[in-house]
Amino acid sequence: DSGVTQTPKHLITATGQRVTLRCSPRSGDLSVYWYQQSLDQGLQFLIQYYNGEERAKGNILERFSAQQFPDLHSELNLSSLELGDSALYFCASSRGLAEGQETQYFGPGTRLLVL
Amino acid sequence: AQKITQTQPGMFVQEKEAVTLDCTYDTSDPSYGLFWYKQPSSGEMIFLIYQGSYDQQNATEGRYSLNFQKARKSANLVISASQLGDSAMYFCAMRSNYQLIWGAGTKLIIKP
Repeated sequence: DSGVTQTPKHLITATGQRVTLRCSPRSGDLSVYWYQQSLDQGLQFLIQYYNGEERAKGNILERFSAQQFPDLHSELNLSSLELGDSALYFCASSRGLAEGQETQYFGPGTRLLVL
Repeated sequence: AQKITQTQPGMFVQEKEAVTLDCTYDTSDPSYGLFWYKQPSSGEMIFLIYQGSYDQQNATEGRYSLNFQKARKSANLVISASQLGDSAMYFCAMRSNYQLIWGAGTKLIIKP
């Protein structure tokens, strides 16, 4: 158990819908990362937050948005869902950004299936 | 450009043998970190080992060790005395600009 929690574990929804994935980082971790893992794309970095502020953006679609709240938990919002959004979505957290603090610990993931 | 290359898409290894998973990297950053993660079929992503670019000694964590050759830009994972539970996907990653750059992974299957 990494200490990172993600809810829900599984999510089945229809095209065009909107869903929210939730992540609680390990105690003491300030940085949160979101990843998408699909069979054909591998592991794709989406976005990173550090202490409530966005720090880095990867291959995140405009239909997707995220935020990190004052209590450091984070939410990833996926809207206008398409079949191709079906994937495993991971949240990870790290202590900080400095060398020695940047090891990312992953949550169990949310499996999203868009029908 | 920052890049991680894992040249072995899949490997079969006999139980109890040692196994080396290859990882080469390309970066212009003077300081970087290299990571290995394991992803079993259940899906979770498990951190295994970390090597900082300025670390003089190769990192070790139990049966895992990282064979870091800076001049050759390689960071191979060595698993000693492999076990059936080691069957999984293994990913090499490199820290760059607060992000991790990921390799495509190696699928390791341990044969009894």
